[in-house]
Amino acid sequence: NAGVTQTPKFRVLKTGQSMTLLCAQDMNHEYMYWYRQDPGMGLRLIHYSVGEGTTAKGEVPDGYNVSRLKKQNFLLGLESAAPSQTSVYFCASSYSGGRARYEQYFGPGTRLTVT
Amino acid sequence: AQSVTQLGSHVSVSEGALVLLRCNYSSSVPPYLFWYVQYPNQGLQLLLKYTSAATLVKGINGFEAEFKKSETSFHLTKPSAHMSDAAEYFCAVSEGSGGSNYKLTFGKGTLLTVNP
Repeated sequence: NAGVTQTPKFRVLKTGQSMTLLCAQDMNHEYMYWYRQDPGMGLRLIHYSVGEGTTAKGEVPDGYNVSRLKKQNFLLGLESAAPSQTSVYFCASSYSGGRARYEQYFGPGTRLTVT
Repeated sequence: AQSVTQLGSHVSVSEGALVLLRCNYSSSVPPYLFWYVQYPNQGLQLLLKYTSAATLVKGINGFEAEFKKSETSFHLTKPSAHMSDAAEYFCAVSEGSGGSNYKLTFGKGTLLTVNP
């Protein structure tokens, strides 16, 4: 199993450009999450999904949109990138049942720079 | 709402010395608690978790943590540091089975440096 994979690994954008980050998991997890990691800030939840076709806002959703058209994929979109969105983005997934839903599996991250 | 405080953004120890990384939490319901480790340029990996069973939890790579409700703490320890332990460590809290919020709230992280 590949686990959680993220595409691309690195990206440089100019202010105002758009892009989509792709997260894929092969563990049949119901729940998926997008986080951003900034120095000294830990991980902050951007958006999450509890199942195919459903998404919800996390702690820092502004400037981002998401879609979960297929159970195994969770897309994070930036419609008009800003320098403040320079960060490392992590996707995670978890089971939906019992205590297992609290254990999240993380992808390797996407390092995004907006100039 | 839950929150996590990790005391010390950077901890430095000598190889073979005790590792102690501190984590305090706040939660309105009985929490579930986690420690994750992040090696350079990698994603986060679960080190150990407390989900209301034994209060002393053992994880991978010789790490353990003790849940102390009276102190609202979940400190991470390892008796003898190894060079390979150098990484960033994150404490995280969830509301546990008593709440509907299964999402994790992370601390800001502690960077562990191990000196030869």
